[in-house]
Amino acid sequence: AQSVTQPDARVTVSEGASLQLRCKYSYSGTPYLFWYVQYPRQGLQLLLKYYSGDPVVQGVNGFEAEFSKSNSSFHLRKASVHWSDSAVYFCVLSLDSNYQLIWGSGTKLIIKP
Amino acid sequence: EAAVTQSPRSKVAVTGGKVTLSCHQTNNHDYMYWYRQDTGHGLRLIHYSYVADSTEKGDIPDGYKASRPSQENFSLILELASLSQTAVYFCASRIRDEQYFGPGTRLTVL
Repeated sequence: AQSVTQPDARVTVSEGASLQLRCKYSYSGTPYLFWYVQYPRQGLQLLLKYYSGDPVVQGVNGFEAEFSKSNSSFHLRKASVHWSDSAVYFCVLSLDSNYQLIWGSGTKLIIKP
Repeated sequence: EAAVTQSPRSKVAVTGGKVTLSCHQTNNHDYMYWYRQDTGHGLRLIHYSYVADSTEKGDIPDGYKASRPSQENFSLILELASLSQTAVYFCASRIRDEQYFGPGTRLTVL
């Protein structure tokens, strides 16, 4: 069955440090992959998406993600985090043209001053 | 101005009661979705719709009904609310590959 795994429920990073949030997916076909962010008491916003081509995709606010078919992964990265990046990040897999989404459990990012 | 709005933003309901959650979009999108989010988990799809007067079951439709009376409005109905339906509910509309989410409704069933 298709699934998305985010192995880290919480990640703590110092402000200005680099960040990687991990995501593994399970799907035998061609995946469409997304990262969404949920800021406190707000809805969800799309950070970036991957369909095909260059495995490194750029998103908003300096985020990028790298797709690896061999590792079935889609890790999110940022070179230097800011306190405003504190949020919950979701890795999401889309399987079909209805864009029904399979969500990971989320990773809560905590920024230390 | 928010393009997807939900009402109410929070609600406390009694077990066995009827609950209606409303969603309104000004995006003019065809697709709309209802998800639930449980603490520490991602979103799970309850129902979706791609045209007015038609709804489709998602992954966890049991205990929920949906109604799409117009392109702009999509409701989620819990006919007999149960404790297990305590969660945050999100509505979304979609254009091409991007979904736009409302702020969520926190439902507590006592």
